[in-house]
Amino acid sequence: RKEVEQDPGPFNVPEGATVAFNCTYSNSASQSFFWYRQDCRKEPKLLMSVYSSGNEDGRFTAQLNRASQYISLLIRDSKLSDSATYLCVVKGGGSYIPTFGRGTSLIVHP
Amino acid sequence: EAQVTQNPRYLITVTGKKLTVTCSQNMNHEYMSWYRQDPGLGLRQIYYSMNVEVTDKGDVPEGYKVSRKEKRNFPLILESPSPNQTSLYFCASSPGAHSNEQFFGPGTRLTVL
Repeated sequence: RKEVEQDPGPFNVPEGATVAFNCTYSNSASQSFFWYRQDCRKEPKLLMSVYSSGNEDGRFTAQLNRASQYISLLIRDSKLSDSATYLCVVKGGGSYIPTFGRGTSLIVHP
Repeated sequence: EAQVTQNPRYLITVTGKKLTVTCSQNMNHEYMSWYRQDPGLGLRQIYYSMNVEVTDKGDVPEGYKVSRKEKRNFPLILESPSPNQTSLYFCASSPGAHSNEQFFGPGTRLTVL
């Protein structure tokens, strides 16, 4: 069983739409949670950390639900430049090794 | 400019021919790691290093070696490459193992024939 699960998509949305991605994790002892963005054939880059109380960065909102063991990423007012793959990352629970989800592909069209 | 560099960026080789992919960071980071990324499997960690002369296996270490003789360099060695090691490889670094953000290199696309 994959430890971190994401819907691979692709999510195909028009500019201006609101889109949400979920990610579930299996290790209840996990302590740190992140969303990374990866453009086609490029390296992943940190988009935002996910805090227990939820956090927002401009058009992006991340939330954590420990009871149900999932994290979410909400993108409001989608831009063409938001087209990318979004990777869910989970750390902790007795290991230094971060576990990456397989990624969710987002395509924003005009 | 703070960065992680990898060389080569692209490599086509043949089964059994030893190769090394170099990784270097100029941010004085203690923690470095190697990942491979394959379609449908996502990023998987191969090896990591907490500091100089300290390395440990990640999730998929078979067929790979690493060394950490200096803080800035963390080469990935394939002693006898096989076709199942065809993949996109990323080196990453962070200030420490518990740091939130990892900084990734640009990637090395390896094809083993």
